[in-house]
Amino acid sequence: QKEVEQNSGPLSVPEGAIASLNCTYSDRGSQSFFWYRQYSGKSPELIMSIYSNGDKEDGRFTAQLNKASQYVSLLIRDSQPSDSATYLCAVNRGNQFYFGTGTSLTVIP
Amino acid sequence: DTEVTQTPKHLVMGMTNKKSLKCEQHMGHRAMYWYKQKAKKPPELMFVYSYEKLSINESVPSRFSPECPNSSLLNLHLHALQPEDSALYLCASSRQGGSSGNTIYFGEGSWLTVV
Repeated sequence: QKEVEQNSGPLSVPEGAIASLNCTYSDRGSQSFFWYRQYSGKSPELIMSIYSNGDKEDGRFTAQLNKASQYVSLLIRDSQPSDSATYLCAVNRGNQFYFGTGTSLTVIP
Repeated sequence: DTEVTQTPKHLVMGMTNKKSLKCEQHMGHRAMYWYKQKAKKPPELMFVYSYEKLSINESVPSRFSPECPNSSLLNLHLHALQPEDSALYLCASSRQGGSSGNTIYFGEGSWLTVV
């Protein structure tokens, strides 16, 4: 069983729509949860971190964590073409960070 | 801007060459990482240093040799690489693990091409 699972997509949404990205993790001992954005040819960039159950909002981004269901999601409101990238979900236990395979998002103008 | 700096950004080396990738962070983090990433794949962990000591080696071939000279620096020495080792090599750092809030930050990466 993989530590972190994501739907690889590709996911396409029109400009201005809400993009919804989902992730599940296998180990209930996971402590911290992250979403990274990676543009083609670039390194992963942290966009959201979440540590406790519930929602966390930062601008157009909202991360949601449900530890009982072992589920993390990212909502991107008012999607822009510049949001087109691969989104990596990651979880942390101690010094180990486990990454999902990423979801490719395309925002269509 | 990332506070993890990697050099060089691009490296082309022959299979008989010896080269090194360098990484520096000034965030006071005590854990540093090397990841390898191939196209359309997630980052793949290679090594973790914790308090300047190698704590995790994910069965990486010996042609990759990590070194952590001090808490701010991390090197990856490369020797006798194969073309399939061509990839983006990512350095990262985090606070020492074990508590909620530990976040990993990546450098911009070093693109390695082995010819």
